[in-house]
Amino acid sequence: DSGVTQTPKHLITATGQRVTLRCSPRSGDLSVYWYQQSLDQGLQFLIQYYNGEERAKGNILERFSAQQFPDLHSELNLSSLELGDSALYFCASSPGDSGNTIYFGEGSWLTVV
Amino acid sequence: AQSVTQLDSQVPVFEEAPVELRCNYSSSVSVYLFWYVQYPNQGLQLLLKYLSGSTLVKGINGFEAEFNKSQTSFHLRKPSVHISDTAEYFCAVTQPLQSGGSYIPTFGRGTSLIVHP
Repeated sequence: DSGVTQTPKHLITATGQRVTLRCSPRSGDLSVYWYQQSLDQGLQFLIQYYNGEERAKGNILERFSAQQFPDLHSELNLSSLELGDSALYFCASSPGDSGNTIYFGEGSWLTVV
Repeated sequence: AQSVTQLDSQVPVFEEAPVELRCNYSSSVSVYLFWYVQYPNQGLQLLLKYLSGSTLVKGINGFEAEFNKSQTSFHLRKPSVHISDTAEYFCAVTQPLQSGGSYIPTFGRGTSLIVHP
């Protein structure tokens, strides 16, 4: 158990809908990272927050957004969902903002039908 | 920009045989290197990491990796595998925050290790 908690574990939704994925980092960790894992793209970095502020942005679509709250949990919002958004979404956390060793949650499986 | 290449998408091996999973990286500055393992329906778990110092790094579950700067490689090895080692293995690279490079871990496409009895 890495200490990173993600909910929900599985989610099935229809195209055009909006979903929110939630992540609680390890106790004491200030950074949260979101990754998308799909068969064709592999593990793709989406976005990082550090202590409530956006710190780095990767291949995140405009339909997707994220935030980190004062209690350090984070949410990833996916809207206008398309079939191609079906993937495993991972949250990871680290104590600092350097990316020097990050700890992954078990992921949220999103299936868009 | 940094990148990682895992040369083998799948490595089949018999139980108790040795195994090497290959990883090459590209980066213009100093690097930190990692191997993660992903068991079915689970998240990624850190196996080992190289930050500095000795180029031979030992990790959990009997795995080790060697950093080779001249060949820009960080291959993962285990002298004798078990059925339970069947999983997906990911190599990742990042750069020190102060290097000015990307400190966000970049992952390879993964290597599926399949251990046969």
